[in-house]
Amino acid sequence: NAGVTQTPKFQVLKTGQSMTLQCAQDMNHEYMSWYRQDPGMGLRLIHYSVGAGITDQGEVPNGYNVSRSTTEDFPLRLLSAAPSQTSVYFCASNPDRDAYNEQFFGPGTRLTVL
Amino acid sequence: AQKVTQAQTEISVVEKEDVTLDCVYETRDTTYYLFWYKQPPSGELVFLIRRNSFDEQNEISGRYSWNFQKSTSSFNFTITASQVVDSAVYFCALSWSGAGSYQLTFGKGTKLSVIP
Repeated sequence: NAGVTQTPKFQVLKTGQSMTLQCAQDMNHEYMSWYRQDPGMGLRLIHYSVGAGITDQGEVPNGYNVSRSTTEDFPLRLLSAAPSQTSVYFCASNPDRDAYNEQFFGPGTRLTVL
Repeated sequence: AQKVTQAQTEISVVEKEDVTLDCVYETRDTTYYLFWYKQPPSGELVFLIRRNSFDEQNEISGRYSWNFQKSTSSFNFTITASQVVDSAVYFCALSWSGAGSYQLTFGKGTKLSVIP
C-alpha cells in the first residue's frame, strides 16, 4: 500500500491563479480530509468527506472547493489563490467516521502564493 | 466547543533530560478520544498514541509515557532521557463523534528541541 499520496510536493502560484492539490489513498478509507498548517496555528480543518459524493466544510473552508467522486481521490481546489493561502496542506484519511480512528496523513504540499 | 491547548510553544532541553509536554482539553462530550502526533523536521505527521475518555490508565512505551487525568482535563506526554531524534513538533488532538460524522481538533503544537 502506498498509503496517502499528495501531489505536488511544492508549488508556487501567483495571486489569482487557480490550481488543484491532488490527494489519493489506496486503503479503501471512507473518511478523507484536508488540513492546512500555518506557523503557530497547528492544523486546521478545511473540508472533509465521509464517503464518495459527500463533502462538508471544516473550520477554514473559504477559498477552497472539494469533491469526492471516488473513494480513492479527494482533490482540493483553490479557485483564485491569495497570499493568505500560503501554507502547508495535508490530506488525511481514516477507515470510517468513528472518532476512535487515528488519521493517516499524506506527506504534505507546501504552497506559496506570491 | 471543543478546544485543545498546548501552552508550551517551544521547549529546549539538553540531551538525556526528561521533558513533559502539556495538553489541556475542553469538551462537553462524555465519549471522546485524545491523540498525540509527532512532526519531525522532515515534515510528516506520525501517530504516537490514542486514549479514550473511559480509560485513565497511564501508558508507557519505551522512553515515552502519557498521563491522562480527566479531573484536570489533561493528557500530558513525558519523554524520559531525551535524545536528539526526539526533536520535533508535537501535537495533541481531540476527536469526538457527532451529527453522523466526527471532528478532530488539534492544539497549536509544542516545538521540542533536544540539544546534544
